[in-house]
Amino acid sequence: NAGVTQTPKFRILKIGQSMTLQCTQDMNHNYMYWYRQDPGMGLKLIYYSVGAGITDKGEVPNGYNVSRSTTEDFPLRLELAAPSQTSVYFCASSYSGVEGYTFGSGTRLTVV
Amino acid sequence: QQPVQSPQAVILREGEDAVINCSSSKALYSVHWYRQKHGEAPVFLMILLKGGEQKGHDKISASFNEKKQQSSLYLTASQLSYSGTYFCGTASGTYKYIFGTGTRLKVLA
Repeated sequence: NAGVTQTPKFRILKIGQSMTLQCTQDMNHNYMYWYRQDPGMGLKLIYYSVGAGITDKGEVPNGYNVSRSTTEDFPLRLELAAPSQTSVYFCASSYSGVEGYTFGSGTRLTVV
Repeated sequence: QQPVQSPQAVILREGEDAVINCSSSKALYSVHWYRQKHGEAPVFLMILLKGGEQKGHDKISASFNEKKQQSSLYLTASQLSYSGTYFCGTASGTYKYIFGTGTRLKVLA
C-alpha cells in the first residue's frame, strides 16, 4: 500500500516557468488537499477536492490551478512561477475527513 | 480564519509535562492534532469530535471544549521523541480543512 505519492521530491524552476506537481493516492480516498508550507511556518490550504470533478479554492489559491479527473489523482499546476512560490508542497487525503488525513512526503520547490 | 495555537514554542526536559492550546474564532465540529518532525510530513495523532470524549494516544491526550471553541493537547512525561511541531486542524466550512499556527516543542535530555 503506497498511500499518498508525490512527485517530484525536489524541483528548481526559473521565474516564469510552469510545472505540475503530481499527487496520487491508492486508498480510494474522496477528499484530497494541497498545502504549502513556507520555511518555519504553518500549512496553508491552496485547493481541495471532495471527489472526482469537484474542486474548490482554499486560503491561498492565486497562481495555482488543480483538476480532479479521477479519484486517485489530484495534480497541482503552477503557471508563471514566482519566487514567492518557493515552498514545500504537501498533498493530503482522507476517506471522509473523520479518520484523519494522510500526507505525502512533499515536494520542495525553489523558484529562482 | 486560521486557528491560533499557544504557546508558539516550548522547551521541556524529559519527563516534564506540556499543554498546547488551539483556539478558533469559528464554531468547531471536530479538531485533529498532528505532529511534524523537521523535514518530514505531518503525522495524524488523533481526532476529537463534537460531543465526544477526551482522547488518548500513549501519554498524549486531548480535550475539546465546543462552547469555548478550543482544544488542548496534553503531553505527559515527555520523551525525546515528542520533539517536533504540533498542529491542530479544523474544518472551516464543511470540507475546507485548515491548520493552526503551530507550536514548536523541543524535549531536552
